[in-house]
Parts: sequence; structure tokens; C-alpha cells
Amino acid sequence: AQSVTQPDIHITVSEGASLELRCNYSYGATPYLFWYVQSPGQGLQLLLKYFSGDTLVQGIKGFEAEFKRSQSSFNLRKPSVHWSDAAEYFCAVGAFGSGYSTLTFGKGTMLLVSP
Amino acid sequence: KAGVTQTPRYLIKTRGQQVTLSCSPISGHRSVSWYQQTPGQGLQFLFEYFSETQRNKGNFPGRFSGRQFSNSRSEMNVSTLELGDSALYLCASKEGSGGMNTEAFFGQGTRLTVV
Repeated sequence: AQSVTQPDIHITVSEGASLELRCNYSYGATPYLFWYVQSPGQGLQLLLKYFSGDTLVQGIKGFEAEFKRSQSSFNLRKPSVHWSDAAEYFCAVGAFGSGYSTLTFGKGTMLLVSP
Repeated sequence: KAGVTQTPRYLIKTRGQQVTLSCSPISGHRSVSWYQQTPGQGLQFLFEYFSETQRNKGNFPGRFSGRQFSNSRSEMNVSTLELGDSALYLCASKEGSGGMNTEAFFGQGTRLTVV
């Protein structure tokens, strides 16, 4: 069965500093990988996704992520954090079978942005 | 185009009661998935529906059930509520056949509190 580990429960970053959120996955085949963001009281918004091809993927809001098969990782990065980036971030791996597709999420990383 | 709409947004129920939550997907989307989000367990997959058929089910007891109507709207029901069922219930819809390469759009969720 697939699984996702986000080792950091909370991360605090100064506004303007760079950010890297870690994600490790376990999946038997080539993974479909996603990063979602959740603001308080809101649903999940897709930041970016990786299916195949270029291992560095660009997303919305200036985020990017790099797929490293050898490390089973899909870390999320942003060069300069803005106060509005404070939210909870979820990494997910997609599993699919005969006619269905589901997401398995990590426990999330709460990003705090200090002035 | 309107997003995924979940009703009600907040709900308080007593142990032993049952509850029905509703999800209206984005117009034209036929795939609907449900997730439970709790602080302890994170986001866990409940069910996925497509064209009124349940395609996949997560590891939840039989007290959790769902259905999808011909207009793609979906409901989930929890019977004999337990305190541990308190959670944010999220619904997501996808267009087309809802394959892994299509984006899942999430609603804002229904916050269920069991007292």
C-alpha cells in the first residue's frame, strides 16, 4: 500500500526567506505526486503535480517541487516566502486501479511565516 | 463556474444520531470523492463515486455510507455517530472519468462535531 511521510509538523520561516517542505513517499509503481495547500477554514487547493517527464515541476504561487526517484522524495520549494503563504501543506500520492483513482495524503506541514 | 459546494458547513450532532452530508460537484464533473480530515489521522479517503457507482471505498466501518445521484450530486451518511467521527469532511470532484491525471477540486468541507 502507498504511504506519504511529511517529517516536519511545523516550520517557521521569515518572510522573504526560502522554503523547503519535505515529502517522502512509498509506492510500488511510478508515482503520481501532488502538493496541496489548505488555508484555515478552507478546502484543499492544488499547487502542483508530477506524473512523468521533467522531474522539476512548476506550480502556482511561485512554488516548485523536485521528484527524486532514488530518494523517494518530492520536496516543495519556494525561493521567497510571503506572509500569505502561511497555511498547511499536504503532499499526496495517487493510486489508481481498474477505473478508480484515490489520493493518499501525508499528515501535513503547518507553515508559519514570521515578519 | 461555481466550485464544489458542501452543505451544511457546520453541524453538531449527539452520539448515536445519524447525519447526512451533501456535496454538489462542479458542473459537468461526474467523479466525486469524500475524505475525512482529523488532527490525529490526517486526511483519509472514504469513497469515490462515478456515474452513480461506488468505484472505491476506504477503510472505514459500515456506519459510513454514500451515494451519488444522476445529477452527480453526492451524499454521505454516518449512522450511530461516535465522538471519534468529529472531523472535517471534504468532498472533491473531477471532470471526465476522474482519472489520476485530472485535477481534484475540493470543497470547503463540512465540520461535524459529535457531542
